[in-house]
Amino acid sequence: AQSVTQLGSHVSVSEGALVLLRCNYSSSVPPYLFWYVQYPNQGLQLLLKYTSAATLVKGINGFEAEFKKSETSFHLTKPSAHMSDAAEYFCAVTRWGGSQGNLIFGKGTKLSVKP
Amino acid sequence: GAGVSQSPRYKVAKRGQDVALRCDPISGHVSLFWYQQALGQGPEFLTYFQNEAQLDKSGLPSDRFFAERPEGSVSTLKIQRTQQEDSAVYLCASSLGTDSSYNEQFFGPGTRLTVL
Repeated sequence: AQSVTQLGSHVSVSEGALVLLRCNYSSSVPPYLFWYVQYPNQGLQLLLKYTSAATLVKGINGFEAEFKKSETSFHLTKPSAHMSDAAEYFCAVTRWGGSQGNLIFGKGTKLSVKP
Repeated sequence: GAGVSQSPRYKVAKRGQDVALRCDPISGHVSLFWYQQALGQGPEFLTYFQNEAQLDKSGLPSDRFFAERPEGSVSTLKIQRTQQEDSAVYLCASSLGTDSSYNEQFFGPGTRLTVL
């Protein structure tokens, strides 16, 4: 069975500092991995996805993530935080079997950006 | 609009009432998903449609939950005899193809259900 663990329910960084949001997955098959962002009162928006091509994935708004099979990790990074990055971030893995592609989400990490 | 829309955005129900939540997916999207997001948690899968066929309802928490998509476009999630533990945000997502394992799912803004 697949699962996702996000370390840290809250992360606070200063504007301009590095953003690092951690995600570890468990999967018995090669996973498809996603990062979504959720702004208050809005739906989830896809930041980036890993689908077994390049291990370093670049997404929108300057975010990127690296798939590391040996560490079963897919951490999200951004070199320089902006105030507009304050939101909740969810890591997800596709569930194999059953329906084609429903997502299994982590519990989320709320990112705060201090001026 | 071009995105997924959901209505109502907010719903307050008294315990025991029935509610119906609507999802309008992106036009032409074959796949449709419903998720439940409890406070402080990530979304959890409820059910999946491919066109009008409900192919997976393994995530529905009880037989009080029912979903339909009769014409393969708009979908309705119905909860009968609501309980306090049903309070959550209900998210709808749609995807273009039949294999959503790697395709992007587009999410609506959700319906926040509060059961008193």
